[in-house]
Amino acid sequence: AQTVTQSQPEMSVQEAETVTLSCTYDTSESDYYLFWYKQPPSRQMILVIRQEAYKQQNATENRFSVNFQKAAKSFSLKISDSQLGDAAMYFCAYNGGDMRFGAGTRLTVKP
Amino acid sequence: DTGVSQNPRHKITKRGQNVTFRCDPISEHNRLYWYRQTLGQGPEFLTYFQNEAQLEKSRLLSDRFSAERPKGSFSTLEIQRTEQGDSAMYLCASSSPPYGTQYFGPGTRLLVL
Repeated sequence: AQTVTQSQPEMSVQEAETVTLSCTYDTSESDYYLFWYKQPPSRQMILVIRQEAYKQQNATENRFSVNFQKAAKSFSLKISDSQLGDAAMYFCAYNGGDMRFGAGTRLTVKP
Repeated sequence: DTGVSQNPRHKITKRGQNVTFRCDPISEHNRLYWYRQTLGQGPEFLTYFQNEAQLEKSRLLSDRFSAERPKGSFSTLEIQRTEQGDSAMYLCASSSPPYGTQYFGPGTRLLVL
């Protein structure tokens, strides 16, 4: 079974600084998708960024970028120039046929 | 283009009662998924539909749970004889080919007293 591990239950970053959230996954598949979702308190889960496993180039969406290491099965999220609105739970997810989520990392942004 | 919607947003019920939730997916998304999320955890897959066909059910989906998508558009999730352990956020998501990305609704938060 595929599993997704987020080893950082909580992270904190100063406003305007950079933070990296870690994620590892386990799979025997070669073709799959990886995602980072953001879930603000009591609010909707929002797609932040996605990566197709067959693509070697790391995905980037404005201030959000990933470091995808397929051989190491690692998929970290870097948030640059952190903003107060970035504070949320961040979930790493794997989809190789059905979606599996990690337990989440709670990100706090300090003004 | 409206996103995934879910109703109600909150539901409080007494143990033993039946509850039903509704999900309206993004129009033209032919796959619809149900997840359960407990506090401090990531969503856990329950079941999914392609059009009106229910293609997969998780072992988390006990026989008290039933989901339908009769016309391949909206879906309902019913929980019969609710238990306190059913208290959770129930999330719905939808997707279109190639089905990699799922878009989530705001969820229905259930509290069983």
